[in-house]
Amino acid sequence: DQQVKQNSPSLSVQEGRISILNCDYTNSMFDYFLWYKKYPAEGPTFLISISSIKDKNEDGRFTVFLNKSAKHLSLHIVPSQPGDSAVYFCAASGYFGNEKLTFGTGTRLTIIP
Amino acid sequence: DAGVIQSPRHEVTEMGQEVTLRCKPISGHNSLFWYRQTMMRGLELLIYFNNNVPIDDSGMPEDRFSAKMPNASFSTLKIQPSEPRDSAVYFCASSAGTGNSPLHFGNGTRLTVT
Repeated sequence: DQQVKQNSPSLSVQEGRISILNCDYTNSMFDYFLWYKKYPAEGPTFLISISSIKDKNEDGRFTVFLNKSAKHLSLHIVPSQPGDSAVYFCAASGYFGNEKLTFGTGTRLTIIP
Repeated sequence: DAGVIQSPRHEVTEMGQEVTLRCKPISGHNSLFWYRQTMMRGLELLIYFNNNVPIDDSGMPEDRFSAKMPNASFSTLKIQPSEPRDSAVYFCASSAGTGNSPLHFGNGTRLTVT
């Protein structure tokens, strides 16, 4: 049973446009959410996070939005750059912080020059 | 900082053989995690340790899998006997274990069981 779902396995976006990656979760106990980025043959690297007490967190070109009532979060990348081409994983954790992260299956983002 | 170091990077073995994956966490980190990545299930947590003690091993698939952390700088994940369905990329990650400190992943071990 996937508690964190990324329903789009892949996404292609033109360079300079906005990339929007989506994530849904089913466990209402999750209160901290993260996005990780993964290049081929490398491990995932932390990108951005958001606590359930917020509905938006911004870091440069990256913004994460959280809609608790819909159990949905999204990652916006503006403007998209070729170096953003990677697999993006959504992750969630419960009350005890990120000691136990539950990951989605990932979305492969391709930025078209 | 060398990051999380995993070895080997690639492992090809025959069904029934024992496989041992190794991990050196970032110095000073007191939490260590083993994840498995497959196309169908994404990244699954197998087990995690805090201060060298296993905290949650509910993700370990079955008794063929075992993990140890004999000291703060080394952990192993062992599969005995291995099966073709164990083929996956296995990641080790560590964190400072304070609040919401992010996980730092190694580059993974790609295991192929034939």
